[in-house]
Amino acid sequence: SAVISQKPSRDICQRGTSLTIQCQVDSQVTMMFWYRQQPGQSLTLIATANQGSEATYESGFVIDKFPISRPNLTFSTLTVSNLSPEDSSIYLCSGGDQTGETQYFGPGTRLLVL
Amino acid sequence: AQSVTQLGSHVSVSEGALVLLRCNYSSSVPPYLFWYVQYPNQGLQLLLKYTTGATLVKGINGFEAEFKKSETSFHLTKPSAHMSDAAEYFCAVSEDGGFKTIFGAGTRLFVKA
Repeated sequence: SAVISQKPSRDICQRGTSLTIQCQVDSQVTMMFWYRQQPGQSLTLIATANQGSEATYESGFVIDKFPISRPNLTFSTLTVSNLSPEDSSIYLCSGGDQTGETQYFGPGTRLLVL
Repeated sequence: AQSVTQLGSHVSVSEGALVLLRCNYSSSVPPYLFWYVQYPNQGLQLLLKYTTGATLVKGINGFEAEFKKSETSFHLTKPSAHMSDAAEYFCAVSEDGGFKTIFGAGTRLFVKA
């Protein structure tokens, strides 16, 4: 199994600023993903974080707003840029193991934009 | 394209009663299916999963689910609800060997004393 940690666990930010969320996995995972969970809603996939190359974004999400890095197999960052109150959500990182059968989730980062 | 439909955004049961949370999926290839639970202010925890083999899968906390290909369903059940089962439950599906997971809208389970 894999244990995933995220930093920060929560933050309050002013509109127009940016927040970078870090995701660390305690073992190598094949794939890493970033999700958004808006208040009272389900998880929406933002992008797949690709090691050493540009992330693959889902429809409705763009790199300028959600730049993602994955410099190695165990670490990724998600930046939420030019924050607005609509970005207030929980952002979750996940990693898929080598079998492809299990996905591990981080505890999430709660973001409130004022 | 994959999709997941969870019937009922809210389900309420009495303590000790049967829990049934419904999930139907759409997938162009044999899917991997998952149920996750999310307690208030916590992250996601995997309850159980179906990948291949036996269609009745057992998970943690007494939950189980049955994969029915003909009905494209993966309903979650528990014979006797406990107060601690109150949470949000998400059904999820993936096609690419679990590499990309699509979540249902979630069902909030309430357990009455």
